[in-house]
Amino acid sequence: GEDVEQSLFLSVREGDSSVINCTYTDSSSTYLYWYKQEPGAGLQLLTYIFSNMDMKQDQRLTVLLNKKDKHLSLRIADTQTGDSAIYFCAGRDSGYALNFGKGTSLLVTP
Amino acid sequence: EPEVTQTPSHQVTQMGQEVILRCVPISNHLYFYWYRQILGQKVEFLVSFYNNEISEKSEIFDDQFSVERPDGSNFTLKIRSTKLEDSAMYFCASNLKTGGYEQYFGPGTRLTVT
Repeated sequence: GEDVEQSLFLSVREGDSSVINCTYTDSSSTYLYWYKQEPGAGLQLLTYIFSNMDMKQDQRLTVLLNKKDKHLSLRIADTQTGDSAIYFCAGRDSGYALNFGKGTSLLVTP
Repeated sequence: EPEVTQTPSHQVTQMGQEVILRCVPISNHLYFYWYRQILGQKVEFLVSFYNNEISEKSEIFDDQFSVERPDGSNFTLKIRSTKLEDSAMYFCASNLKTGGYEQYFGPGTRLTVT
């Protein structure tokens, strides 16, 4: 298995960009994911990236992967109050299980 | 848009009782999973299930746990004799194929063991 580490809390102002960071230990991680969890809700898949990619962009979301440093980031452009949630980074190797970090709580203030 | 559903949303049970948590995965999906999240902690993998058998399980998934796909739509997690430490949010997930990358999660069942 692997360890996935995230900072626990991030606060940004509405309209600014948010960058949520994640590091992972297992270099055999082939897929890396970002999930969003709103209060009382389940896990919503936001995006994922293959380990042979450096960047993936999807509307306001940009994922950057630095394989050398085993570092993954999620950038949310023009952050809105509706983006306030917990964001989970997860990795998967060749098996079935997703290994999650503890989650980063994003607070967007007006 | 198809989604994973779970029932009940909240289950309260006494220690030592058996509970069954139910999930309806997305209809054409073939791989099914259970995860749990103890309050304030990270989401942990329990088990994956494919072709009517367990394909992978974690150390958490001991003899007290079992999974079943009793029909073509439901996927269940049974805990035979619940302990206080089983209190958690239990998430079901599914995907079309292991190479299908995306695991789609249900809203979860909050299990409270008293």
